[in-house]
Formats: sequence, C-alpha cells, structure tokens
Amino acid sequence: NAGVMQNPRHLVRRRGQEARLRCSPMKGHSHVYWYRQLPEEGLKFMVYLQKENIIDESGMPKERFSAEFPKEGPSILRIQQVVRGDSAAYFCASSTAQDAYEQYFGPGTRLTVT
Amino acid sequence: GQSLEQPSEVTAVEGAIVQINCTYQTSGFYGLSWYQQHDGGAPTFLSYNALDGLEETGRFSSFLSRSDSYGYLLLQELQMKDSASYFCAVTPNTGGFKTIFGAGTRLFVKA
Repeated sequence: NAGVMQNPRHLVRRRGQEARLRCSPMKGHSHVYWYRQLPEEGLKFMVYLQKENIIDESGMPKERFSAEFPKEGPSILRIQQVVRGDSAAYFCASSTAQDAYEQYFGPGTRLTVT
Repeated sequence: GQSLEQPSEVTAVEGAIVQINCTYQTSGFYGLSWYQQHDGGAPTFLSYNALDGLEETGRFSSFLSRSDSYGYLLLQELQMKDSASYFCAVTPNTGGFKTIFGAGTRLFVKA
C-alpha cells in the first residue's frame, strides 16, 4: 500500500518562473492538504481539498498560488511568478473522511528559487 | 486568534522520560494531535486526543485537558532515534477545516 507520493522531491526555479508540485494521496484517502514549512519552523496550512472541490483555502496567499484536485490524477499546487520568499518545503498530506485528525504526509517538495 | 505554544528545545538522556508540553489558545477544536518529524523527513502521526485524559501508544503517551487549555506528549525509555522535532496540532471547530500546528519542539537525546 503506497503512501503519499509527491514529486518532484527537489525543484529549482528562477524568479518569475512557474512551479508545479504534485501530490498523489494514499489509496483510499479522499482528502488532501497542502502545507508550507520554512527551516526551523512549523507547518503552515495552505489549502484543503477533496476531489474536484476546494474546501478551505484560507491559508493560501491571495495571488500567484492555486491548487486543484481533479477527478483523475494527482493534486497540483501551482505557484506562478515565483519569488525568493517562496523557497520552502511544501508538504502534502492525506486522510480519510473519518480520520481527518490523522494525516499521512508525503516526503515533501523542496522548492528553491534562485 | 488561534495559536499553540511549545518549548523550542528539550534535551534528555537515553532511557529517560521526557514530557513535551503544548498550550493552546483556540475557542474550540475537535482534538489535539501529535506528529514527529526527523530532520529532512516528513511529519508522521503519533497520537490523538479527542477527549480529556491520557492516550497510550507503546512508549508514547499523550494527554489533554481542555479546561486547562493544555496537552503534553510523554516519551518513555528514550532512544537515540527519538531525536526529532515534535509538533502538536489542532483542527478548530469554528468553521473551516484548517489544521494549526505549533512551531515544534526539538528533542535532543544524549547517550
């Protein structure tokens, strides 16, 4: 039973480029969460999605960031026109509907903006 | 606002018992979760308290007191591999589904 998968594991982008981060939830999990983590800091909630629905995006910056979880395929976190401040580790987590308090995390994508 | 406070660092010796505290300020939440994260790794779920009291899972136990706005993670028979960061987290029940994490406690286990 594969766990949560994220790719790429490391991503380098120049300022102004776009970053696309992918997340495949654990089999049987219908809920996906995205978090951002800066070095030596905790996880900051960004967005919570179910298939084809954004349920809570209260942690997403208003501009340049978007997320989707299509009917088929992985969840995508998209960052347009990246800036140096976007450099961070981005983690995806998934859960079942019943156990939302128990989230399973992917290995993360380390984004570096040069 | 909603926030969780944890000590930034704790140091203990192998074989000892250590308690990591978490105090929170949130009007209402479903329960308190704990996660472990090794350097460079992903957070992994450890424990969850929906109700007040103690939950035991092997060497790890977690406690919640809603009346005191306080919880803790207790690690027994410490091993070197327990050196990691530990995060408490809550999901407020005030609307929305965001999960709020504390800043984390770095545990250093010494021989």
